Amino acid sequence: KQEVTQIPAALSVPEGENLVLNCSFTDSAIYNLQWFRQDPGKGLTSLLLIQSSQREQTSGRLNASLDKSSGRSTLYIAASQPGDSATYLCAVPSGGYNKLIFGAGTRLAVHP
Amino acid sequence: GAGVSQSPSNKVTEKGKDVELRCDPISGHTALYWYRQSLGQGLEFLIYFQGNSAPDKSGLPSDRFSAERTGGSVSTLTIQRTQQEDSAVYLCASSLESGPHTEAFFGQGTRLTVV
Repeated sequence: KQEVTQIPAALSVPEGENLVLNCSFTDSAIYNLQWFRQDPGKGLTSLLLIQSSQREQTSGRLNASLDKSSGRSTLYIAASQPGDSATYLCAVPSGGYNKLIFGAGTRLAVHP
Repeated sequence: GAGVSQSPSNKVTEKGKDVELRCDPISGHTALYWYRQSLGQGLEFLIYFQGNSAPDKSGLPSDRFSAERTGGSVSTLTIQRTQQEDSAVYLCASSLESGPHTEAFFGQGTRLTVV
């Protein structure tokens, strides 16, 4: 049974810092891994999707890496801003379709 | 539409009443998923639609929960005889295809409060 874990559960940093969020999964036979952002009281916004054949994906200040063999992904946020404050979730599909198994998320606070 | 649309955005209902939550997926997306996010809990899968059929209903917590999808588009999640433990944010997602390689896009959710 696939399990997804995210570390740390919460993170508070000053503006401008570079930071790394971690995601691990128990079954390495994944098709892809998706990172989402959730603002309080809102839905999920897709940030990056990494296919299993890829090692990295970049979008602006965000860079996500994937190491299938070790069951890990990291989301790197460069030059953090207060607007980056949100909960970040990683998820992997299971069941042969896009039924997502989510981690519990990392709650990020970036203070000025 | 441009994104996944859910309505209502907020719903307060009395215990024992029935509620209907609506999801309008991205146009052309054949796969549709419902998830629930309870306070302090993670996101849990409820049901998956491919077209109008639901091959996986394994996440529905009880027989008070049902869902349908018509015309391969709009889906409705119905909760009968609501209980306080049903209070949660209900999220809908759609994908262009059903395969695990596709990207999922989520709506803004419906926050259900049972009083």
